[in-house]
Amino acid sequence: GAVVSQHPSWVICKSGTSVKIECRSLDFQATTMFWYRQFPKQSLMLMATSNEGSKATYEQGVEKDKFLINHASLTLSTLTVTSAHPEDSSFYICSALEFGEKLFFGSGTQLSVL
Amino acid sequence: QQQVKQSPQSLIVQKGGISIINCAYENTAFDYFPWYQQFPGKGPALLIAIRPDVSEKKEGRFTISFNKSAKQFSLHIMDSQPGDSATYFCAARYTGNQFYFGTGTSLTVIP
Repeated sequence: GAVVSQHPSWVICKSGTSVKIECRSLDFQATTMFWYRQFPKQSLMLMATSNEGSKATYEQGVEKDKFLINHASLTLSTLTVTSAHPEDSSFYICSALEFGEKLFFGSGTQLSVL
Repeated sequence: QQQVKQSPQSLIVQKGGISIINCAYENTAFDYFPWYQQFPGKGPALLIAIRPDVSEKKEGRFTISFNKSAKQFSLHIMDSQPGDSATYFCAARYTGNQFYFGTGTSLTVIP
């Protein structure tokens, strides 16, 4: 299957700092990428849909100013958690759509905000 | 409203047994139904998928059974192994790029 690379795998930061997470489709071009948040033993919660070259579409309740998404190329989307606080601690996962059908996920990023 | 309902929430199966996870949906506009396997601390991995014009798809030990009239689909894992212990998510796609996920099933295969 196609490969989606996500970095970093885990990050620990102090409250108030910003953290950037990268998501790359390594062997295909992805016009659409998605960002999810997952709490322990729960399903995937869609945060936003990002389309290359346009603004991301955020789900209801997700603060667009806190979770900045940039999809500047067909292989890279980034999620920046701005002014992170302990309540932002979570497992963040990206995914990329191949040929408009198959959805492939990154390996996830565990964010811990102290 | 939960677009895709998944059951059971957890499942314990003996090694060599058959694991069965079920999903149901309401929206007949869904056109693609994938299953994902997720290990702790990792992202979900695409396992197998089916389109609604097919009633069954098999890949190795994994089989999807699809019942269009009942709006249900299920994952069968034959000869379950301890290495299959993971969380499984069903999903359904709507109009190109909207995916709806089930709530997940935690599978434990005991030796």
